[in-house]
Amino acid sequence: EAGVAQSPRYKIIEKRQSVAFWCNPISGHATLYWYQQILGQGPKLLIQFQNNGVVDDSQLPKDRFSAERLKGVDSTLKIQPAKLEDSAVYLCASSLLGGRAINEQFFGPGTRLTVL
Amino acid sequence: SQQGEEDPQALSIQEGENATMNCSYKTSINNLQWYRQNSGRGLVHLILIRSNEREKHSGRLRVTLDTSKKSSSLLITASRAADTASYFCATVGYQAGTALIFGKGTTLSVSS
Repeated sequence: EAGVAQSPRYKIIEKRQSVAFWCNPISGHATLYWYQQILGQGPKLLIQFQNNGVVDDSQLPKDRFSAERLKGVDSTLKIQPAKLEDSAVYLCASSLLGGRAINEQFFGPGTRLTVL
Repeated sequence: SQQGEEDPQALSIQEGENATMNCSYKTSINNLQWYRQNSGRGLVHLILIRSNEREKHSGRLRVTLDTSKKSSSLLITASRAADTASYFCATVGYQAGTALIFGKGTTLSVSS
């Protein structure tokens, strides 16, 4: 089966500019996650969707980050305006089930963002 | 904040040797998962162990879980150069969401 798709793979912008990332999860997966991974650290959850509803966005810097999952399939993550500390790899993941179900997550290749 | 802390931060071994990585976490968990990350294949799920399990095997991988000590270990036997990667433990709590909370990872280098 096709994996989680993300684009672009790389993006370089200057601070205060805007940027958007796109994610297409595995077909049929109800739950979609966006993680931020700063160099040398593990991924940190930004937002979790179940179908097209938000389950957890407690760690999303809402003054500059926004995300949506239209029709419960694709998702976009936007940063506006970007700061230097936003330089990171942004990972999208999906899982078949949601709620309290125990299941593995499948990750996309990530988008590496560099803010100059 | 990150839940897990892996130990060691970096590990270098020869092919054929065993590699052991440890993970400690802070709060009660529903399950614990190990992931591998390398530049070629991104972040890949290796194994999941539930809070009521103590040991699990998958191929050359062996995972143990001690909930009383809030710790887990990942053993890779007969390591290969292809095992070179960063390894992360990730926990899932009992809250409604199922998001993973990752540690900082162990970087494993296997030389031939």
